[in-house]
Amino acid sequence: QKEVEQDPGPLSVPEGAIVSLNCTYSNSAFQYFMWYRQYSRKGPELLMYTYSSGNKEDGRFTAQVDKSSKYISLFIRDSQPSDSATYLCAMSRSGGSYIPTFGRGTSLIVHP
Amino acid sequence: DARVTQTPRHKVTEMGQEVTMRCQPILGHNTVFWYRQTMMQGLELLAYFRNRAPLDDSGMPKDRFSAEMPDATLATLKIQPSEPRDSAVYFCASGFEQFFGPGTRLTVL
Repeated sequence: QKEVEQDPGPLSVPEGAIVSLNCTYSNSAFQYFMWYRQYSRKGPELLMYTYSSGNKEDGRFTAQVDKSSKYISLFIRDSQPSDSATYLCAMSRSGGSYIPTFGRGTSLIVHP
Repeated sequence: DARVTQTPRHKVTEMGQEVTMRCQPILGHNTVFWYRQTMMQGLELLAYFRNRAPLDDSGMPKDRFSAEMPDATLATLKIQPSEPRDSAVYFCASGFEQFFGPGTRLTVL
């Protein structure tokens, strides 16, 4: 079993839909949780970063961490075709080197 | 506009040739990461530097790959000799939040 599991999709939704992207993990030592967006033929770009449990909101994006269930989510409200990309979750331990462990990414397609 | 730069953006080479990829991290960032991305494996960490010192290169095939930071503005990843299975996109990232460069798309024939 991989340390971080993420459904590769693709997830296809109509414009305006609420999108839910998820990752599960097995290592309870993870404390930092990140979401990256990667457009085709580009490098990943950091979208959201949270520490420990709870929610964080930034515009149309909400990141949620449930450490008791080892489950993290990224919600996208009012999805747009420009949100079509691959979304990668990543997480790392506190202290030490902060080397992140990445999920495989979920491909999201928002169609007009 | 601070960003990570990588050169070359594309590289096509023949098996057995040496390949050198370069990365300029964001000024002031003291951590640099090298990743390889393929469809099959996703993002794999190859090497990690802090303050120019290699802290983790356990993900890197030691017999053919080498990574260095000759100075704070340059990180290099070298493959010698290259093999077709090395074909992938190689990313450099800097900073704790992992600011990624645009990648080097390597094809080994």
